[in-house]
This record gives sequence, structure tokens and C-alpha cells, in this order.
Amino acid sequence: KAGVTQTPRYLIKTRGQQVTLSCSPISGHRSVSWYQQTPGQGLQFLFEYFSETQRNKGNFPGRFSGRQFSNSRSEMNVSTLELGDSALYLCASSLGDLPNTEAFFGQGTRLTVV
Amino acid sequence: GIQVEQSPPDLILQEGANSTLRCNFSDSVNNLQWFHQNPWGQLINLFYIPSGTKQNGRLSATTVATERYSLLYISSSQTTDSGVYFCAVTTGNQFYFGTGTSLTVIP
Repeated sequence: KAGVTQTPRYLIKTRGQQVTLSCSPISGHRSVSWYQQTPGQGLQFLFEYFSETQRNKGNFPGRFSGRQFSNSRSEMNVSTLELGDSALYLCASSLGDLPNTEAFFGQGTRLTVV
Repeated sequence: GIQVEQSPPDLILQEGANSTLRCNFSDSVNNLQWFHQNPWGQLINLFYIPSGTKQNGRLSATTVATERYSLLYISSSQTTDSGVYFCAVTTGNQFYFGTGTSLTVIP
């Protein structure tokens, strides 16, 4: 059974550009959530999607957005990139509601903004 | 949001030694998972343990939800156990992560 797949694995962008990251969950999983990991802030929640609906959003500016498609694949977009957006972005998938099921993470996308 | 504290922040062990990592959380939670972050950044599932005790080889974990803590035991540590260990709790549909324990196992 394939795991959670994130693409691309590495990305270098220039300040002011925008970027789109992709996450394909485990087959059959309907919940996808996104996290940002930086050395200073640790792992922080960005947003969670379930059956194409955003159910929860973390404390990030509006430049961070996402969506989920009918096949449960999810994308997150960051517009007007800033140097501080350099981070490891991780997505997790779970079969159902997170409180009741185990979540599995992808390998992450390492974004560097220069 | 929920506060999650992990201790110790750093741990250096000789190969073969045992260790206990602790995770305290500030409020009632629905779920708790332990992860090991590999050198490439991926979070590898160790335990899904909202309560009780589980064992998997040299690793075991115990969560006492009523007292708001969880423990991860590593026995007979190996160099491949090195890395950062995170506990994460859920309430609602998001994880709250601790700051991690960085483990280094020396041959």
C-alpha cells in the first residue's frame, strides 16, 4: 500500500514568487492536514481538509491557502513568498477524523526562499 | 491551544543503554502519537496510543490520559535510534506537537 506522497521534495524560490505543494494521501484516506516545520517555531498546524472541505485553519497569514480535490489529493499554495517561509512542509493523511484514527506523514517538501 | 512539553530536550546514550522520553500535555486529548523524524525529515509512526501500553520490539509506550502524560521507552539503544522523537496530541482535527527530544546514540 503506497504511503503519503508529497511533491516536489525540494524547491528553491525567490522572494515574491508563489509556490504550490502537492500531497497525495494513502488510498482511502479522506483527511489531509498540513504542517510547517522550522527550527525556531517547531511543527505548526496550517490547515486540515476532509472531503474537500477545510475544517480547521492554523494561525497563518492569508498568503497560505489550500484545497482538496475529490480524489482527496490536496495542494497548498503560498503567495508572495518571504524568506521566513523557508521550511519543511509536511502533510498527514488519516482515514477519518484525526482524534479517532492514526495519521501518517509524507516525506515532506523542503522549501527554500532566497 | 494545548501545550505539549517533552523532556529531556537532548539525550546522549551509549549503544545498548535504555532511555525514557516523557511527554506532558496541558489538557484532555483524544489521541496521542509518537513519531521518529528521520534525517530526511519524514515523521515515522512509532505508536498510536491514546491510552494504555503498547510494545513494538525494543520500543514501548505508555499513556496515562487522566494524568496527561505519555512515556516512550527505548531499550538496548542502537545507533539507528538516533534522531528526534516527537509526541503529538490531537483535539479537534489538528495535531499539537511537542518540541521534541533529540537522541544521539554513540557506538
